[in-house]
Amino acid sequence: DAKTTQPNSMESNEEEPVHLPCNHSTISGTDYIHWYRQLPSQGPEYVIHGLTSNVNNRMASLAIAEDRKSSTLILHRATLRDAAVYYCILRDSMFSGGYNKLIFGAGTRLAVHP
Amino acid sequence: DTGVSQNPRHKITKRGQNVTFRCDPISEHNRLYWYRQTLGQGPEFLTYFQNEAQLEKSRLLSDRFSAERPKGSFSTLEIQRTEQGDSAMYLCASSLGDTDSEKLFFGSGTQLSVL
Repeated sequence: DAKTTQPNSMESNEEEPVHLPCNHSTISGTDYIHWYRQLPSQGPEYVIHGLTSNVNNRMASLAIAEDRKSSTLILHRATLRDAAVYYCILRDSMFSGGYNKLIFGAGTRLAVHP
Repeated sequence: DTGVSQNPRHKITKRGQNVTFRCDPISEHNRLYWYRQTLGQGPEFLTYFQNEAQLEKSRLLSDRFSAERPKGSFSTLEIQRTEQGDSAMYLCASSLGDTDSEKLFFGSGTQLSVL
């Protein structure tokens, strides 16, 4: 599986935008970029995913670089409830097993200050 | 949709004892995954079921570990002769495998402490 690199931790103030970076220089053309987050004492939850184009949903936006070697998860207005570990994961759509075996790294721990 | 349910939430056991965890996936989901997570690390893949068939087992899953999904619905993960190194959060996830970019839905996990 292609590897991703994320900062260990980031901080933000409440109601400010947050940009969480992810580098994936060895990404292949068939790799989807997935983001999950894990709140304290919870299992991970899906945030967003994309392949080539930028994506928006009610939780966040995903900006993908033109060469796809990096991406940024954008939380438009951070709230205290957004404090979590954010995982950037590459998922190979051509994986022969056909199922979604996500390989997690250590992620970025986001702290949100009031 | 009641989400993925895992029981128990916490389990404390003595070294050498056997433990069993249960996962109830979202009802229509045909795919089920088990992960293990230790403090400060991301979840590590353990095994995958499609319906009742166990299609992949990680090398992390030693002979002391066994997982089942007998009727393609709930799943159990059993650890025999527990060791202190087995202490971790055990997470279950399910999905409806109908797209290339399927979403996994995780339960809240079972926290195992081996004394």
